[in-house]
Amino acid sequence: DIQMTQSPSSLSASVGDRVTITCRASQSISTYLNWYQQKPGKAPKLLIYAASSLQSGVPSRFSGSGSGTDFTLTISSLQPEDFATYYCQQSYTTRAFGPGTKVDIK
Amino acid sequence: QVQLVQSGAEVKKAGASVKVSCKASGYTFTSTYDINWVRQATGQGLEWMGWMNPNSGDAGYAESFQGRVTMTRDTSISTAYMELSSLRSEDTAVYYCARGPQGTGATIDYWGQGTLVTVSS
Repeated sequence: DIQMTQSPSSLSASVGDRVTITCRASQSISTYLNWYQQKPGKAPKLLIYAASSLQSGVPSRFSGSGSGTDFTLTISSLQPEDFATYYCQQSYTTRAFGPGTKVDIK
Repeated sequence: QVQLVQSGAEVKKAGASVKVSCKASGYTFTSTYDINWVRQATGQGLEWMGWMNPNSGDAGYAESFQGRVTMTRDTSISTAYMELSSLRSEDTAVYYCARGPQGTGATIDYWGQGTLVTVSS
């Protein structure tokens, strides 16, 4: 199975900060990479699909990039509702998730 | 609207099996969407367990669950099932069913409410 890693595992940031989360696949997955946001007690929500396509209804401050093995999720200006855990997921073979990155308030 | 409604919480002894159901509504169950199963232990990340094609019944499982998980469906009642056997304490988690388009590049767009499975020794 393709393994997914994320860095950092957690970060502290302030409202208005630019935040970047990295996801790496153990082998090339082209652009078959999705990003989800999860808040405590809730199911995950799809943010980005195919590495860089914004899901309908998701604010434009979220963006994704990358291909092959290295991907990033960027939040251009962190808002209070963005404090959550973020997961990448490969959809090239299985649907494995990365271990997650928790974004909390500085 | 698309809804996935899961069965209620379960408490099982170590070594037993659990079967969780997921009733789909708001779309054609046998259309081009898979049902995925994802679990999450308290305070831990998301762990994808496998997928099932409700039309064909074909299923694929994550390596870590091979031999212990079975995903099935009953198309007459638009319901998917996930059965996990030889339960151990580490299987204590919330189990989600989740719909996603079939094929490479697919996402997961709708989730069930989750079913808490507690395994006691």
